[in-house]
Amino acid sequence: GDSVTQMEGPVTLSEEAFLTINCTYTATGYPSLFWYVQYPGEGLQLLLKATKADDKGSNKGFEATYRKETTSFHLEKGSVQVSDSAVYFCALIFEGIQGAQKLVFGQGTRLTINP
Amino acid sequence: GAGVSQSPSNKVTEKGKDVELRCDPISGHTALYWYRQSLGQGLEFLIYFQGNSAPDKSGLPSDRFSAERTGGSVSTLTIQRTQQEDSAVYLCASNPSGRGGTGELFFGEGSRLTVL
Repeated sequence: GDSVTQMEGPVTLSEEAFLTINCTYTATGYPSLFWYVQYPGEGLQLLLKATKADDKGSNKGFEATYRKETTSFHLEKGSVQVSDSAVYFCALIFEGIQGAQKLVFGQGTRLTINP
Repeated sequence: GAGVSQSPSNKVTEKGKDVELRCDPISGHTALYWYRQSLGQGLEFLIYFQGNSAPDKSGLPSDRFSAERTGGSVSTLTIQRTQQEDSAVYLCASNPSGRGGTGELFFGEGSRLTVL
């Protein structure tokens, strides 16, 4: 079935470092792809998304490009801040039973940014 | 309300007891989802509601788990005869339509269940 694999954490970086969190997927067809973020003490929220190949999603300085040829959707940020410390989840969406949209998530990557 | 509300936020119970977890979605959202987040694992899909019906229950791990939704709004996830492996954070999410939409889910903060 459809699945998502993301790099294991935890990841610890210094402020202003470059960030990459790898995400690859397995799916039939071309699902929409997402990055969700869970800040400490808060619920998951959508960070960015891409709906077709070569689309680039971006938000809050984060970017991810939908790469069909490598089935990847890596998350990047050029200069991280302490406030970016959170758990990041890669996800894809597909149609399940009776057309219901289902999000399939990766296992999450915990990111800690030190000042 | 402004967001998805879940209760209780924390629940500690003894093995073999039944528990109920409640979710109040964003007003007007017809689609409602339950996920489970276990330590060191990703989010595991449990069940999906469209209105009051549940077309996809494929993620419920055993017949000890059940869920219902009434009035197209509040949902309750019930776990009977809890086991230690049920310990996890149970997340509820809603979406305006669930079909052909943007795919963005709006999550609550979760109910942390600990089974002793």
